[in-house]
Amino acid sequence: GENVEQHPSTLSVQEGDSAVIKCTYSDSASNYFPWYKQELGKRPQLIIDIRSNVGEKKDQRIAVTLNKTAKHFSLHITETQPEDSAVYFCAASTGSPHDKVIFGPGTSLSVIP
Amino acid sequence: EPEVTQTPSHQVTQMGQEVILRCVPISNHLYFYWYRQILGQKVEFLVSFYNNEISEKSEIFDDQFSVERPDGSNFTLKIRSTKLEDSAMYFCASKTSGKSYEQYFGPGTRLTVT
Repeated sequence: GENVEQHPSTLSVQEGDSAVIKCTYSDSASNYFPWYKQELGKRPQLIIDIRSNVGEKKDQRIAVTLNKTAKHFSLHITETQPEDSAVYFCAASTGSPHDKVIFGPGTSLSVIP
Repeated sequence: EPEVTQTPSHQVTQMGQEVILRCVPISNHLYFYWYRQILGQKVEFLVSFYNNEISEKSEIFDDQFSVERPDGSNFTLKIRSTKLEDSAMYFCASKTSGKSYEQYFGPGTRLTVT
């Protein structure tokens, strides 16, 4: 089955700097890659997603890139703010009607004011 | 904006007891899921449900677990005889159709087994 790896497990950046989180997946059938932000005790919140027919997607300060050949995808957050501090999960899915979302182990991001 | 809701927000139970976690998916959604997250760990898939039957289940979802859609709005997860290791946050999710990719997560139920 699908396995998603994620690095780093913890990341600390100064406010205003960029943060990059990298993920790999194993199942070549995966074609949908969502990213979730989870604050303590809250639900995973979808912040951006990318499908396999595109290599890059941007939404304001957040961008994702996908390399299907290498089975790598990354999250880039620019101009980080303290409110960006949270745990970020990458995930993968085949997008088939019933398919589950397989989560990575998470990255705890701390933005230092 | 419609949201997935879950009750209770926190459930404390004794080992060996049965618990039922309840979810109300978004009204026009057809695909339903349960996930769990042990404290400090990743979110893990338990089961998917469509057209009143299980589509897929993980290794975690053993004979102690069952799901049901007893009426047109509720989606429940039952654990027959809880173990200490069942302590976790349980998230319900739903999506609108087979062509849709995004799953909408509920706020979760924190289950504590003592």
